[in-house]
Amino acid sequence: NSKVIQTPRYLVKGQGQKAKMRCIPEKGHPVVFWYQQNKNNEFKFLINFQNQEVLQQIDMTEKRFSAECPSNSPCSLEIQSSEAGDSALYLCASSPRGANSDYTFGSGTRLLVI
Amino acid sequence: GMPVEQNPPALSLYEGADSGLRCNFSTTMKSVQWFQQNHRGRLITLFYLAQGTKENGRLKSTFNSKERYSTLHIKDAQLEDSGTYFCAADTGNYKYVFGAGTRLKVIA
Repeated sequence: NSKVIQTPRYLVKGQGQKAKMRCIPEKGHPVVFWYQQNKNNEFKFLINFQNQEVLQQIDMTEKRFSAECPSNSPCSLEIQSSEAGDSALYLCASSPRGANSDYTFGSGTRLLVI
Repeated sequence: GMPVEQNPPALSLYEGADSGLRCNFSTTMKSVQWFQQNHRGRLITLFYLAQGTKENGRLKSTFNSKERYSTLHIKDAQLEDSGTYFCAADTGNYKYVFGAGTRLKVIA
């Protein structure tokens, strides 16, 4: 079983609806990443955090996506207004150090926007 | 070109066969991680390497930062080895770059 817990496993939303997914990183891992894996198996980095602070995020994330990692609460990734192209597997990973260390991935949230 | 080139894209092996996967990098990477993704989408970590070679059961992986490649070797393939394998390389910039994956099918 993964030590990174992602919920929900599946999420179905209509276009324009909000979609929110959560991630509990592995205990003791201060660095959290979100990736999007599309139907062609391509991984796209979305955003990463160290503790509660954003380290990096891509432009796509800045517009319709928002993410946070509050202390003592699960991290979350929210799409404000879902589009069909957002349908993908969203993977959360955590790491003890970020750079030069391994990642542990969660099982993912599979989002379908209809 | 792509920062991580993974080959082959797909592979079919009979049970008991051996084979290898390879990732070539366009630039020097700090480390590499290999994953197996099962049919449910879960990424299982196989290896993390900052350099050299690691072995775990029937799997063996090598990372050569200077020569810009990494390999994953599967020995005595079993049905449960079926899945998609990814290498992911650490650019040293707080994010991994993934290969396109190798879809492995082990045939009885």
